Parts: sequence; structure tokens; C-alpha cells
Amino acid sequence: DAGVTQSPTHLIKTRGQQVTLRCSPKSGHDTVSWYQQALGQGPQFIFQYYEEEERQRGNFPDRFSGHQFPNYSSELNVNALLLGDSALYLCASSYGTGGSYEQYFGPGTRLTVT
Amino acid sequence: AQKVTQAQTEISVVEKEDVTLDCVYETRDTTYYLFWYKQPPSGELVFLIRRNSFDEQNEISGRYSWNFQKSTSSFNFTITASQVVDSAVYFCALSEVTYFFNTDKLIFGTGTRLQVFP
Repeated sequence: DAGVTQSPTHLIKTRGQQVTLRCSPKSGHDTVSWYQQALGQGPQFIFQYYEEEERQRGNFPDRFSGHQFPNYSSELNVNALLLGDSALYLCASSYGTGGSYEQYFGPGTRLTVT
Repeated sequence: AQKVTQAQTEISVVEKEDVTLDCVYETRDTTYYLFWYKQPPSGELVFLIRRNSFDEQNEISGRYSWNFQKSTSSFNFTITASQVVDSAVYFCALSEVTYFFNTDKLIFGTGTRLQVFP
């Protein structure tokens, strides 16, 4: 049973560029959340997708956008990259929403912006 | 506003010592969930436990135990007879259950780095 997978593992981009990160949820899960984890910090919630819709959004600018596909996989897009966007981006999946289900995390994508 | 505080930035112990990681949370919700996750150097967050706000029973799982006290808004995590493999960053998290949007945003603390030396 495959867990949450993310691609790519590492990525190096230049300021001003755009990046797309991908996530496949754990089998049987239909909800995907994205988190940003800066070095030495706890993960910060970016947004959550359920039924192909963005259900809730954290305090992130519109440069951060996402999408969920019919197979429940998801993409995170970041436009006009800033140095401060350098972080580990974690994807988490769960079945349903409402706080009663544990979220399983993927290994993350390490994004470096130079 | 919801908030999770892990005051211990880093803890170092020698193998076989017991260690407790503290977690204090703030929330105005009456229904909420608390979590502990382990993050080894590989980066992947590993789920350890989920506890809902109505269940204050302490829980033990092998060498791990959790003490949930609503009166002090704390959800502490104890590792008994620590091992080198326990070395990792441990995060406490609070689930903000927003019924209107039906989401479960996790609010994390800043983490406690545990180093267990042989």
C-alpha cells in the first residue's frame, strides 16, 4: 500500500521563476493538504483540497495556488518565486475532512530559491 | 486564536533515560484534536497519536505515553528508556475543525529536537 508520494524530491529555482510541485495521496484518501516548513520551524498550512475544490487557505499570498485532479492527486504552484519561498513543502492526505482523521505526510519537496 | 507552544527547543539525553516533551495549546473551540508527529532527518512527518478534546485518558503505546490535561491545556509526550533511534524533531499539533468549511487545518508548534546519545 503506497503512502503519500511527492515529486520532485529537490528543486532549485531562480527568483521570479514559477514552480509546480506534485503530490499523490495515500490509497483510499481523498483530501490533500499542503504545508510549508521553513528551516527550524513547524509546518505552516497553505491550503487544503477536497472534491477538487480549495476548502480552506492559510496566510499565503495568491502567488501560491493549487489544483486537485479527479484521481485526488494535487499540484502546488508558486509564481514569482522569492528567496523566502525556500522551504520544505509537505503534502498530507487524509480520508474526509473535519479533524477526525489523521493526516499522513509525504517525504516533502525541498525547494531552494537562489 | 489557536496556538501551539513547545517551549523546549532542544533536549539531549543519554540512552535509557526517560524524557518528556512538553506541549501547551490555546484554542477557543470546545471540539478539537491534538496530535504528535515525529520528523526524522529524512524529513517525512510520522504520525504518532491523535487525541480528541473529549478524551482525557492517558495513552501508552510501548515506550511512548501521552498525558492530556485540559485543565492546563497541555498534551505532553514521554518516551521511556529512550533509544538512539528516537533522535528526531517532535511536533505537537492542534487541529482547527472549521465545520463551515469542513476542513481540518493543522497548527503546529515549533518542534522539539531530541538527541539521544549512546
